[in-house]
Amino acid sequence: SQQGEEDPQALSIQEGENATMNCSYKTSINNLQWYRQNSGRGLVHLILIRSNEREKHSGRLRVTLDTSKKSSSLLITASRAADTASYFCATDPYSGAGSYQLTFGKGTKLSVIP
Amino acid sequence: DAGITQSPRHKVTETGTPVTLRCHQTENHRYMYWYRQDPGHGLRLIHYSYGVKDTDKGEVSDGYSVSRSKTEDFLLTLESATSSQTSVYFCAISESLSAAGGEQYFGPGTRLTVT
Repeated sequence: SQQGEEDPQALSIQEGENATMNCSYKTSINNLQWYRQNSGRGLVHLILIRSNEREKHSGRLRVTLDTSKKSSSLLITASRAADTASYFCATDPYSGAGSYQLTFGKGTKLSVIP
Repeated sequence: DAGITQSPRHKVTETGTPVTLRCHQTENHRYMYWYRQDPGHGLRLIHYSYGVKDTDKGEVSDGYSVSRSKTEDFLLTLESATSSQTSVYFCAISESLSAAGGEQYFGPGTRLTVT
């Protein structure tokens, strides 16, 4: 079953605008990761935020985590056409003994129009 | 794609035939994973390995088996392919446990069509 669910499923914006994607999950986690997938390619890791962190930045990316609401958001500022891709959140459900697995959501498809 | 290759990249096969997909890494990472990606389902874990000859089932393991005889190779076998196994298959590797913040590196994918 899907642990994380992204929202919206699809997002279309103009170049230069900001894009915000949300992820909700069901169980306690150790950390949450965001990945990008360009069409026809494998996933690429973007950023990881641990359960004891509330916000993290990497370049034009800003990720927030609210463990009380079991949700995360990914903000891409000043979007570019090259940001067009699908974005996935992945959670590591807390299992106590250490989890081997990441559970991925279904993704948000972002289209940035030049 | 971080030293991960998958072969073949594309395959068309008939229902009932056995199929083996190969994942090869040059990173010497301990953990390896097989996922399938389908529209409307996102990425789902099939099997994973936490060391040579150490494997376990993921969310959608029925109809699949795996083997890992060397650190660098992780094989996924469909014993008798069915049309429901038509999908894009991704291999991934990680150096550390997901719980420890291990990010996963993905291969380019194998598009499998079962007719």
